[in-house]
Amino acid sequence: AQKITQTQPGMFVQEKEAVTLDCTYDTSDQSYGLFWYKQPSSGEMIFLIYQGSYDEQNATEGRYSLNFQKARKSANLVISASQLGDSAMYFCAMRDPSGTYKYIFGTGTRLKVLA
Amino acid sequence: NAGVTQTPKFQVLKTGQSMTLQCAQDMNHEYMSWYRQDPGMGLRLIHYSVGAGITDQGEVPNGYNVSRSTTEDFPLRLLSAAPSQTSVYFCASSYGQGVTEAFFGQGTRLTVV
Repeated sequence: AQKITQTQPGMFVQEKEAVTLDCTYDTSDQSYGLFWYKQPSSGEMIFLIYQGSYDEQNATEGRYSLNFQKARKSANLVISASQLGDSAMYFCAMRDPSGTYKYIFGTGTRLKVLA
Repeated sequence: NAGVTQTPKFQVLKTGQSMTLQCAQDMNHEYMSWYRQDPGMGLRLIHYSVGAGITDQGEVPNGYNVSRSTTEDFPLRLLSAAPSQTSVYFCASSYGQGVTEAFFGQGTRLTVV
């Protein structure tokens, strides 16, 4: 069965520094997608970045990058130059693009950016 | 530019009452799903649909019913509310295939007393 594991319940980072949020996944499929979402205190789910399993280059979107290591089954989110507005809950998710198309989410990491 | 519209935003129910959470999307997405979010447990899939007339159970389906009569709408019904169903509920939609992100509604905070 597919599974997403986020082992960091909470993290702190100093403003303007970079931070890495860990995500490992488990799947026997060859084709899959990995996603990161941000949930601020207001509660909405905001899509940040995605990576396809066949993409050879790591995905980047502005200050967000996804450090994809397929052999290790990890898809860590790197946030560069942290800002106070980055304080939020972050969820890693995986989608099976064939069959059920379900999205499986991890338990999340709460990030607090310190001034 | 509506996206995924979820109503209501807040609801308080008494144990045993029934209600329907509404979800509508205007992006012609084939795939729709319902999640519940509880502290420390992430988002857990309740039910999902890959198209009109097709639904299936997710990880935590007990106590919930869904139907998908149109592409746009995917209501979630609580048959007989229980305090264990106190949670935040999210509806999400996406295209049916490919590495595409899910779009989420604003969420419903449900309290069962």
